[in-house]
Amino acid sequence: EAGVAQSPRYKIIEKRQSVAFWCNPISGHATLYWYQQILGQGPKLLIQFQNNGVVDDSQLPKDRFSAERLKGVDSTLKIQPAKLEDSAVYLCASSQKGQNTEAFFGQGTRLTVV
Amino acid sequence: GENVEQHPSTLSVQEGDSAVIKCTYSDSASNYFPWYKQELGKRPQLIIDIRSNVGEKKDQRIAVTLNKTAKHFSLHITETQPEDSAVYFCAASGGNNRLAFGKGNQVVVIP
Repeated sequence: EAGVAQSPRYKIIEKRQSVAFWCNPISGHATLYWYQQILGQGPKLLIQFQNNGVVDDSQLPKDRFSAERLKGVDSTLKIQPAKLEDSAVYLCASSQKGQNTEAFFGQGTRLTVV
Repeated sequence: GENVEQHPSTLSVQEGDSAVIKCTYSDSASNYFPWYKQELGKRPQLIIDIRSNVGEKKDQRIAVTLNKTAKHFSLHITETQPEDSAVYFCAASGGNNRLAFGKGNQVVVIP
């Protein structure tokens, strides 16, 4: 079974620039998550999709972050404009439909904002 | 929302000894408690999980205990080995599959 795929693996941008991350979940997984993991901390949920609908985006800084999952499969997370404090690893995860099923993580995208 | 706390932040143990990591959660409606292991530069991976209808679960050298009344759960690693060195995250979730993670524990196994 192929895992969760993310790209790019690394990205360095200047503050105020824009950046986009891509995630392809495990085939058949209805739930997709985007997490932000700042160095030395646990993953913080940014947004959760069920198919192509948003379940939870309460911790997404909506003035600069946006995410979509138009066809209920792949997802993109965008930051515009980036700030220094956005430097983190952005992890995508997916899980099967159903209550409290295992979340499988991708390798993440390490973003550095300079 | 759910708030998960982990203690201690760093734990050093001699190879062969046991390691215990404790987590507390705030939302009494949470009913699913997974533990993830993250090695340096790698993705978090599930090592064990427990649901609220059981108090303990064991898988070889790893066990998890849950105390719903006190709202805490613990990870126990016995006979630690160098490959157990990693950051361990606890998490909690209610019926909406919304996983809230703790800040993580760095476990260092000293050969």
